[in-house]
Amino acid sequence: DAGVIQSPRHEVTEMGQEVTLRCKPISGHDYLFWYRQTMMRGLELLIYFNNNVPIDDSGMPEDRFSAKMPNASFSTLKIQPSEPRDSAVYFCASSLRGRLDTIYFGEGSWLTVV
Amino acid sequence: KQEVTQIPAALSVPEGENLVLNCSFTDSAIYNLQWFRQDPGKGLTSLLLIQSSQREQTSGRLNASLDKSSGRSTLYIAASQPGDSATYLCAVMDSSYKLIFGSGTRLLVRP
Repeated sequence: DAGVIQSPRHEVTEMGQEVTLRCKPISGHDYLFWYRQTMMRGLELLIYFNNNVPIDDSGMPEDRFSAKMPNASFSTLKIQPSEPRDSAVYFCASSLRGRLDTIYFGEGSWLTVV
Repeated sequence: KQEVTQIPAALSVPEGENLVLNCSFTDSAIYNLQWFRQDPGKGLTSLLLIQSSQREQTSGRLNASLDKSSGRSTLYIAASQPGDSATYLCAVMDSSYKLIFGSGTRLLVRP
């Protein structure tokens, strides 16, 4: 299995631009998580989906952030408009109901907003 | 609100030493506790998982313990090697299946 695949791996964008991060979970996994990692705040859960349905988005920082999961094999995290304080590593992770003890992380999308 | 704390924030040891990383959490109502390893520029790799009903788990040179009542876990690394250098993250899973992470311990094992 290819694991959780994220794109882009690195992105540098100007303040005010729209940013779209993509994630392909492991095939068959029905839970998908988006995390953000910064030096100041560590790893924070932004939102998670079960069977493509958003379950808890309480970690989404502002209305500028939105996440979708149109099907079981694809999810996006969008920031519009982006701000310098959004600079962070964004991780996607997936797991399987009944095996929530085994969570697999992608290698992250490194976002820099200048 | 669950909070996870890891001590120390950074640790530097000579190769061969045994070491202990500490993790504490404020709410004992957890589903499980997991230890992850993160290498620079990489994602997270799960090392050990302890279910809430368990006391410890072992994998090779790693041993993790859990004392749920006191809200503590330790990760013991025996005979440390330079390849163990990484950031180690502790995370607890709450009843809604959310993983809540500590800020990590940056470990450097000097040859």
